Amino acid sequence: EDKVVQSPLSLVVHEGDTVTLNCSYEVTNFRSLLWYKQEKKAPTFLFMLTSSGIEKKSGRLSSILDKKELFSILNITATQTGDSAVYLCAVLEGGSEKLVFGKGTKLTVNP
Amino acid sequence: SAVISQKPSRDICQRGTSLTIQCQVDSQVTMMFWYRQQPGQSLTLIATANQGSEATYESGFVIDKFPISRPNLTFSTLTVSNMSPEDSSIYLCSVDSGQGGPDTQYFGPGTRLTVL
Repeated sequence: EDKVVQSPLSLVVHEGDTVTLNCSYEVTNFRSLLWYKQEKKAPTFLFMLTSSGIEKKSGRLSSILDKKELFSILNITATQTGDSAVYLCAVLEGGSEKLVFGKGTKLTVNP
Repeated sequence: SAVISQKPSRDICQRGTSLTIQCQVDSQVTMMFWYRQQPGQSLTLIATANQGSEATYESGFVIDKFPISRPNLTFSTLTVSNMSPEDSSIYLCSVDSGQGGPDTQYFGPGTRLTVL
């Protein structure tokens, strides 16, 4: 049973579009939720979210967490072809310090 | 964030052989993790490698198949033993940020393994 569910699994957009990626989770002893971008092999860190309602922002990317409804969204505005990647959501479980990953959303941005 | 390197970056191996993957960090870290990402799948934790103690394996992974060493706070190895084509995956090591509280994990560049 999946603990971290991402949607959509894949998405194709045109440059300039805005996209919203979703991540819902169900874990015990939640500590934080992390977003990563994976282009080739190594996931690169984007955001870590621990508190509800506080938006994290980095350039055209932003993310927010809702701990009551157990989900997070990642927004990308004015998409560029360089945003094409798999975006991974992961939840850090306290105690075990384990990251539980979703299956990812494959984003393709066409020129 | 820590700078993490992995060797080799990729390899093609024959079934029945073993491969050892190295993970080197530029600073001392308490916890190191090994993940596997099979083709088209997300990351799955294999084990947590702690210095001075045996690795802790996740369900479905055993020490005989994936022996891990952690000789010091900056280095770890993962061996994939008696390989079969099903072991073809990307293997990634990660470390925690070590800043206390909810920690961020950073990943190495990964090792792409193909077993023929």
